[in-house]
Amino acid sequence: DGGITQSPKYLFRKEGQNVTLSCEQNLNHDAMYWYRQDPGQGLRLIYYSQIVNDFQKGDIAEGYSVSREKKESFPLTVTSAQKNPTAFYLCASTSTDTQYFGPGTRLTVL
Amino acid sequence: GQQLNQSPQSMFIQEGEDVSMNCTSSSIFNTWLWYKQDPGEGPVLLIALYKAGELTSNGRLTAQFGITRKDSFLNISASIPSDVGIYFCAGHPGNQFYFGTGTSLTVIP
Repeated sequence: DGGITQSPKYLFRKEGQNVTLSCEQNLNHDAMYWYRQDPGQGLRLIYYSQIVNDFQKGDIAEGYSVSREKKESFPLTVTSAQKNPTAFYLCASTSTDTQYFGPGTRLTVL
Repeated sequence: GQQLNQSPQSMFIQEGEDVSMNCTSSSIFNTWLWYKQDPGEGPVLLIALYKAGELTSNGRLTAQFGITRKDSFLNISASIPSDVGIYFCAGHPGNQFYFGTGTSLTVIP
């Protein structure tokens, strides 16, 4: 099946720990994105990458880091510097000006 | 980043009724997208619009790309219980995507 996969579905983290969220796509899309979704708010852009080995900060990049070593993969690390990391995280990829989303990862900081 | 104005914020309708919602922007967009999101799930693309004035249907859903390129509309006809969810728009001026805050739809059987 073609699509975008995110793992894990649910993630629990203790304060002070870094955690990495996985995003993989087999759609052969060049561009990939990470968004954060909080209740009652629209999606907010964390990072995006338009080609391998290149990525740009979005509106709320502080406390997050990414890598893009392969076209298919765009992992997001939530570092201990992120003050309020509990949220729903969505990965997306883009083709022909159309964006497709993965199923999301819910991160909870205990 | 820019956030799109989406209205209404929520709707409670009877099964069988038609639904309309819209998004407006202060900027011109090249693409308008409409998504549906169920709780705890990722958004699913419903309709994509690429040209001003374009009217596109997907089953009971119809969306239009406004002539000014600053707005878009989504209509759902003859609503059914499985239409329940949050619908949101996205606009694409050419680089990033910008999103509405969503319309929460409740369908009463």
